[in-house]
Amino acid sequence: QVQLVQSGGEVKKPGASVRVSCRASGYTLIHYPISWVRQAPGQGLEWMGFIRDYNGNTDYAQNFQGRVTITTDTSTSTVHLDLRSLTSDDTAVYYCARGGIPPRYSGTWQFWGQGTLVTVSS
Amino acid sequence: DIQMTQSPSSLSASLGDRVTITCRASQTISNYLNWYQHKPGKAPHLVIDTASTLQSGVPSRFSGSGSGTEFSLTISSLQPEDFATYYCQQTYTIPYTFGQGTKLEIK
Repeated sequence: QVQLVQSGGEVKKPGASVRVSCRASGYTLIHYPISWVRQAPGQGLEWMGFIRDYNGNTDYAQNFQGRVTITTDTSTSTVHLDLRSLTSDDTAVYYCARGGIPPRYSGTWQFWGQGTLVTVSS
Repeated sequence: DIQMTQSPSSLSASLGDRVTITCRASQTISNYLNWYQHKPGKAPHLVIDTASTLQSGVPSRFSGSGSGTEFSLTISSLQPEDFATYYCQQTYTIPYTFGQGTKLEIK
């Protein structure tokens, strides 16, 4: 069965970078797009970006342009989210989520990781 | 970016009640509209996609409707496991955007 298992929680200082990983099993990673979505404390859901299935290209939300990178390691079936120049506003639970195919379903997420809490604090 | 506006922001209801949550898009999105259920400490759960398609395993008391800019999610008879926060989300264009959420609480 399809599973997305994320790396553990992180505590970072302002200005640092963080990597959150999402290991996929039960299907071939590059056959489906993967998005990252976060939820800050007391806030709603926010889409950060995704990596496409068919060509590996990425798209990022404007709020994160220049600070975020999503990559895929096919050897370990893992997608990584790298976020730089952290501030306290980046304290949130980060989720990976698998989109569907064809492309009109890229943003429809039936499968999710369990979430990773990233805390940014001095 | 397409703005998604949900109403109400919170809703208090009793077991067995029928409730409706509405979602409005700032521009037409055809039927590119999903609904998610989110409980504390869990990942969001896809309930309905393309405005009205019920996901496998989701009880038939859930239904969705709408197209263009106006959408709704209806739960016909509230059960204890339905109390959660619900989000609409447009997938018409990137960036994918969510409504602010509707917190459904027990009266």
